[in-house]
Amino acid sequence: DAGVIQSPRHEVTEMGQEVTLRCKPISGHNSLFWYRQTMMRGLELLIYFNNNVPIDDSGMPEDRFSAKMPNASFSTLKIQPSEPRDSAVYFCASSLVSGSSYEQYFGPGTRLTVT
Amino acid sequence: GNSVTQMEGPVTLSEEAFLTINCTYTATGYPSLFWYVQYPGEGLQLLLKATKADDKGSNKGFEATYRKETTSFHLEKGSVQVSDSAVYFCALLKAAGNKLTFGGGTRVLVKP
Repeated sequence: DAGVIQSPRHEVTEMGQEVTLRCKPISGHNSLFWYRQTMMRGLELLIYFNNNVPIDDSGMPEDRFSAKMPNASFSTLKIQPSEPRDSAVYFCASSLVSGSSYEQYFGPGTRLTVT
Repeated sequence: GNSVTQMEGPVTLSEEAFLTINCTYTATGYPSLFWYVQYPGEGLQLLLKATKADDKGSNKGFEATYRKETTSFHLEKGSVQVSDSAVYFCALLKAAGNKLTFGGGTRVLVKP
């Protein structure tokens, strides 16, 4: 049973370049979450979707960040233009919101380095 | 608003020692409580959960009891192994929502 799939696992890019991170949630899940993890700020929720609709994007740092979920099996997080302070590990997680079950399943993360 | 506070690490232990990681929360209503574990280079994995007061979650020798009177959900393991070295996150999910609130994480290092 495949878990949450993220690609790429590692990304190194130069300041000013566009970066696109990809996520495939677990089949059948109806919620998807994007997190960012850094030593300084810990784990931060950037945005989450229910049934492909963005519900809360209050954690998105600024307009350089955007996220889409065109269908139930795919989501992207885009940074344009990227800056060194965007260097972090970005996690995608998915869950099935049903009754009292809200467990989130995390992907392995994408380690982004912006030089 | 909702918040989770957990003890700062790192916590360094010898193998077979007893582990406790304190976690307290602030929330309205009756949240569900979780412990997640992050092994080096990996994403977070659910370790255990409790959905109502006095529930005890348990998994892999770890336990935590949902204490509403003290708003706590402390994680314990009686005898740790080197393979338990990881970062542990306490989290809450408020009722009627699906947005987790995480604590800052506690790094645990178990030495042989």
